[in-house]
Amino acid sequence: GAVVSQHPSWVICKSGTSVKIECRSLDFQATTMFWYRQFPKQSLMLMATSNEGSKATYEQGVEKDKFLINHASLTLSTLTVTSAHPEDSSFYICSARLAGTYEQYFGPGTRLTVT
Amino acid sequence: EDQVTQSPEALRLQEGESSSLNCSYTVSGLRGLFWYRQDPGKGPEFLFTLYSAGEEKEKERLKATLTKKESFLHITAPKPEDSATYLCAVSKLRGNTGKLIFGQGTTLQVKP
Repeated sequence: GAVVSQHPSWVICKSGTSVKIECRSLDFQATTMFWYRQFPKQSLMLMATSNEGSKATYEQGVEKDKFLINHASLTLSTLTVTSAHPEDSSFYICSARLAGTYEQYFGPGTRLTVT
Repeated sequence: EDQVTQSPEALRLQEGESSSLNCSYTVSGLRGLFWYRQDPGKGPEFLFTLYSAGEEKEKERLKATLTKKESFLHITAPKPEDSATYLCAVSKLRGNTGKLIFGQGTTLQVKP
């Protein structure tokens, strides 16, 4: 149980284009989902907290107009990287909080490369 | 300031050589402490949640313990497949979202 999927698992895009990443909780409902970014050999950096039916809460220093988050249903959150630049290249990971607990279950991650 | 510190950064063990990973935390009110395992190029895999000092949880060769200042992840008779990065994270009492503060991780390598 508590499986989270992400799509795509990897994507290459050109500078200036936008990319959408989907995060789904497959066998449970998640009122809260989280988006992280991870650089090589570093720990996870929280970008934003996504709540179903309301606006996302962004961490300090994360541009909300660049990283658009939509939590459209209890099983789906999306992250759109707008006008991507090479410095946005990274490993993006989502997690979903299991209702009634504070446990977060993570997706497999999406490797974004901007050329 | 809220902080989670893991040690050592890297640990090399021979197969069967038991050891412990440390996670020290400083937070204003602990809701829970979480251990995850992360393999290269993958998302973290949930291992344990600990909520109060004195609590212990076990899963196969892993055992997690919690005090008021730190948590230990004990690995008994590790196997090469236990090689991974182990992440510790805490959730604070204040706030309802349950966001996690992560440590930098301990990269474990178990040699046959």
